[in-house]
Amino acid sequence: GAGVSQSPSNKVTEKGKDVELRCDPISGHTALYWYRQRLGQGLEFLIYFQGNSAPDKSGLPSDRFSAERTGESVSTLTIQCTQQEDSAVYLCASSLAQGGNTIYFGEGSWLTVV
Amino acid sequence: GENVEQHPSTLSVQEGDSAVIKCTYSDSASNYFPWYKQELGKGPQLIIDIRSNVGEKKDQRIAVTLNKTAKHFSLHITETQPEDSAVYFCAASSGNYKLSFGAGTTVTVRA
Repeated sequence: GAGVSQSPSNKVTEKGKDVELRCDPISGHTALYWYRQRLGQGLEFLIYFQGNSAPDKSGLPSDRFSAERTGESVSTLTIQCTQQEDSAVYLCASSLAQGGNTIYFGEGSWLTVV
Repeated sequence: GENVEQHPSTLSVQEGDSAVIKCTYSDSASNYFPWYKQELGKGPQLIIDIRSNVGEKKDQRIAVTLNKTAKHFSLHITETQPEDSAVYFCAASSGNYKLSFGAGTTVTVRA
């Protein structure tokens, strides 16, 4: 596609439920990132995928968070047993490769846990 | 790890005036410094970036300067217009994949 595509754009879920967020990177981009942005705050790194290399999961805040990527395409971020503090915008981004290449962001998935 | 600080957190300017946002970074190995603009309800959009082999870069009304010795970089917007109102984020990376972001500056351009 023309840009990074994320779905759903908005999600309201009950505390304790699992949610799955999807990201379609720009075609040909081997690097894919997930960031979290709480209301009025900056972007927190969550996880990074590059080709077939092991992902960098160092930013995942707890073991309730996990992410998968199929080859060099779609990625899903899963949050199990959601808590109110998980409410945030989850932003996916992609780039051609690592090393200072331009990183393009999607519009984000707005998650509200009630 | 890298720590990026951004100031001010909010900035209100009269239309036509200039806006300046400043960021400092901690990792002397950082060599890539992008700036993103985020409008309400949208994802961040890259507006300009600079690499450590240059000190200044300009694109129409937007310019970025980099001082590697002092480890700070700045965004300058001249002749501000209402559509420049947004949240601006600076970021830094050391050439690997992980961008470290500042906390953001909310810019309001008064008509």
